[in-house]
Amino acid sequence: AQSVTQLGSHVSVSEGALVLLRCNYSSSVPPYLFWYVQYPNQGLQLLLKYTSAATLVKGINGFEAEFKKSETSFHLTKPSAHMSDAAEYFCAVTAKNEKLTFGTGTRLTIIP
Amino acid sequence: NAGVTQTPKFRVLKTGQSMTLLCAQDMNHEYMYWYRQDPGMGLRLIHYSVGEGTTAKGEVPDGYNVSRLKKQNFLLGLESAAPSQTSVYFCASSPHIRLYNEQFFGPGTRLTVL
Repeated sequence: AQSVTQLGSHVSVSEGALVLLRCNYSSSVPPYLFWYVQYPNQGLQLLLKYTSAATLVKGINGFEAEFKKSETSFHLTKPSAHMSDAAEYFCAVTAKNEKLTFGTGTRLTIIP
Repeated sequence: NAGVTQTPKFRVLKTGQSMTLLCAQDMNHEYMYWYRQDPGMGLRLIHYSVGEGTTAKGEVPDGYNVSRLKKQNFLLGLESAAPSQTSVYFCASSPHIRLYNEQFFGPGTRLTVL
């Protein structure tokens, strides 16, 4: 079985500050990991994905995530938050023949 | 290239009524999915399809039926709507086989059952 835990359903950061959204996974086999972003009243779109090629993954809009097997983590970061980053972020995992399993999401608020 | 589209965008039903949600994709993807999104619960898979004419149950299939008569379309039906089915429904598609292929999402359908 596989699962994802996102720590913090709401995160607020000041504009220009570091963004850190946490994701821990559980999987009995090597996983593939994803971060999706959902802007208000829109569908989800892919930010980045880990496919075992490199542990540090760079995505769109300046986001990146690092796969740490020893910590079973795949935290999302951005050095400097922008107002346009306000959205809900979902971590997701898939492994072997299982389906994509989503976390419960983290709503990011940017403080001007 | 419209990607994944969903019809309708909003709908209000009374308990016991039926309706069909339509999903269409123009990317020639093999796999299609229906999810529901509820506050604090993320996205949960209702049904999915790995190709034209095939469907399978996901995590929360009860109360829903699906059909994939054409490769580009995936229909989600509610035969007798219940207030517990009030949710935002998302359709997604992905290319064949590779587990690390991303899923492409539609804009969603907001359904309220009174």
